[in-house]
Amino acid sequence: KNEVEQSPQNLTAQEGEFITINCSYSVGISALHWLQQHPGGGIVSLFMLSSGKKKHGRLIATINIQEKHSSLHITASHPRDSAVYICVLIQGAQKLVFGQGTRLTINP
Amino acid sequence: DVKVTQSSRYLVKRTGEKVFLECVQDMDHENMFWYRQDPGLGLRLIYFSYDVKMKEKGDIPEGYSVSREKKERFSLILESASTNQTSMYLCASSLSALTSYEQYFGPGTRLTVT
Repeated sequence: KNEVEQSPQNLTAQEGEFITINCSYSVGISALHWLQQHPGGGIVSLFMLSSGKKKHGRLIATINIQEKHSSLHITASHPRDSAVYICVLIQGAQKLVFGQGTRLTINP
Repeated sequence: DVKVTQSSRYLVKRTGEKVFLECVQDMDHENMFWYRQDPGLGLRLIYFSYDVKMKEKGDIPEGYSVSREKKERFSLILESASTNQTSMYLCASSLSALTSYEQYFGPGTRLTVT
């Protein structure tokens, strides 16, 4: 069983829809990282969180350590949000476990 | 802003060639990482370095070596390139593990080995 599972693997939505991407994991972590990878390949760090919730613009990330689950939400989605979203588990000093990614497509 | 740069966006090499991929960061980060990304497999860690001249194997180090002679520069070396090393290679850096794990990524190098 994978240590981290993202769902859905692919998501297509219309502009303006509320988007939720999930990340479930089965191991102990010290923090969780959400990354956004654009079609050209560039990766941008969105959030690093170890508890609660963080918000940046239209993006919201939550984590529930007890349930071993994190969600990334996008409000009022836009075609420029189309990207692959990756959750990364941080274990201990240097161990990183990458999710497979969720490919999001927002149609105008 | 942190800036991580990689020497090439696209690279085509022949089987058996020695290949150097260079990564430079300008924020005095201690940790630097090399990943490869393949469809269906996600990002996989090849090597990382937590200080000058220090290196640690990641999950898939076979066929690769690294060099970190200066803090800002981390090189990935393919001693004898093979077709199964055709991939997207991403470099990243982060502050000391004691204070922050957030990684900053370079734009990636798409390597094709023919």
